[in-house]
Amino acid sequence: RKEVEQDPGPFNVPEGATVAFNCTYSNSASQSFFWYRQDCRKEPKLLMSVYSSGNEDGRFTAQLNRASQYISLLIRDSKLSDSATYLCVVPPSGSARQLTFGSGTQLTVLP
Amino acid sequence: GAGVSQSPRYKVAKRGQDVALRCDPISGHVSLFWYQQALGQGPEFLTYFQNEAQLDKSGLPSDRFFAERPEGSVSTLKIQRTQQEDSAVYLCASSLAPDSEAFFGQGTRLTVV
Repeated sequence: RKEVEQDPGPFNVPEGATVAFNCTYSNSASQSFFWYRQDCRKEPKLLMSVYSSGNEDGRFTAQLNRASQYISLLIRDSKLSDSATYLCVVPPSGSARQLTFGSGTQLTVLP
Repeated sequence: GAGVSQSPRYKVAKRGQDVALRCDPISGHVSLFWYQQALGQGPEFLTYFQNEAQLDKSGLPSDRFFAERPEGSVSTLKIQRTQQEDSAVYLCASSLAPDSEAFFGQGTRLTVV
């Protein structure tokens, strides 16, 4: 099993829709998580951090389910500008030193 | 500088050529990471530095890949005798600590022909 797994999509949704992505992780000791956003041919940028059960920032809500070892990202009232790839990220644990990235979920918001 | 700076932005190399990719991290960031990103994939870890010490190089795909950060700031990723499968975007990131938010540079897009 990969350390971090995401549904690659693509998710194509109309403007104004609500869309949710899930991400599963294998290391039960992981304590905090990140969602990064990556636009086409650009670098990843931090969208949200998730340290406890969840985090909300405007239209974006991230939730953590430790028992099932998954993190979700919910986008409400989606905008055209939300079109991007969303990367689930697990910080290092044990002897690892690096952030581990999922392969990303591609979202396209349609007019 | 205000952000992580990488150069060159684009590099075309002939197969067998050596290349050097530069990363200038955010001032004061102790941790520096190199990632390789293929089209349609998430970034894959290559190597990690804490100051000048290379603490993890487990992600380097072969001994043709070499990274250094001699003074604990600027880092260089060198690829010797490039091959077509080395074509990818090479991303550098820095952070205050290994488990804190990582800030990425814009990457170097390497194309080996």
